[in-house]
Amino acid sequence: QQPVQSPQAVILREGEDAVINCSSSKALYSVHWYRQKHGEAPVFLMILLKGGEQKGHDKISASFNEKKQQSSLYLTASQLSYSGTYFCGTQKLGGKLIFGQGTELSVKP
Amino acid sequence: NAGVTQTPKFRILKIGQSMTLQCTQDMNHNYMYWYRQDPGMGLKLIYYSVGAGITDKGEVPNGYNVSRSTTEDFPLRLELAAPSQTSVYFCASSYGRTGPVATNEKLFFGSGTQLSVL
Repeated sequence: QQPVQSPQAVILREGEDAVINCSSSKALYSVHWYRQKHGEAPVFLMILLKGGEQKGHDKISASFNEKKQQSSLYLTASQLSYSGTYFCGTQKLGGKLIFGQGTELSVKP
Repeated sequence: NAGVTQTPKFRILKIGQSMTLQCTQDMNHNYMYWYRQDPGMGLKLIYYSVGAGITDKGEVPNGYNVSRSTTEDFPLRLELAAPSQTSVYFCASSYGRTGPVATNEKLFFGSGTQLSVL
């Protein structure tokens, strides 16, 4: 039931791009993406609702393939501030939000 | 606005003791959640609530109890604390709606409670 994220970890140089994937075996209504810095609470990035719409802000965007029950988070021209652990969360209607195991992203100068 | 407030921030318990982690939100959100996060691991859902008087189990409910008597408050009770319950606990809230205009909205997290059971 827990969504599966890949890769588990990625190391980038500043300016490089990355893609983080999130797959679920269950039918979904929405997918959430959050970033967590060490010792802090997770912070919301974006939510994608059923319908496959791609969303984004700044250089971070995401897509949701409803048919495949997959979502991908795209980070372009990465900055040092992008470092942290990224979690996807999958949610049906009715409130239960389950998170994946996380993807640790390190951006080096 | 304070958002989601958790107390205490830190606590050390002895094995077998009990305690309540407090969580309150001032955003009039109907959904509330409790997660635990073990070191270097992801967030595991303990319990959640879709409104006052309604609670349901998450992925790891054993050893915990919750209640939701008001929209604002969602306390988490640990009975007979065990070392396996050493973790960081996050409370979160969101707005959700079912029916013809269904929606799920983003979670707002509290700052967390670091609990050690020794």
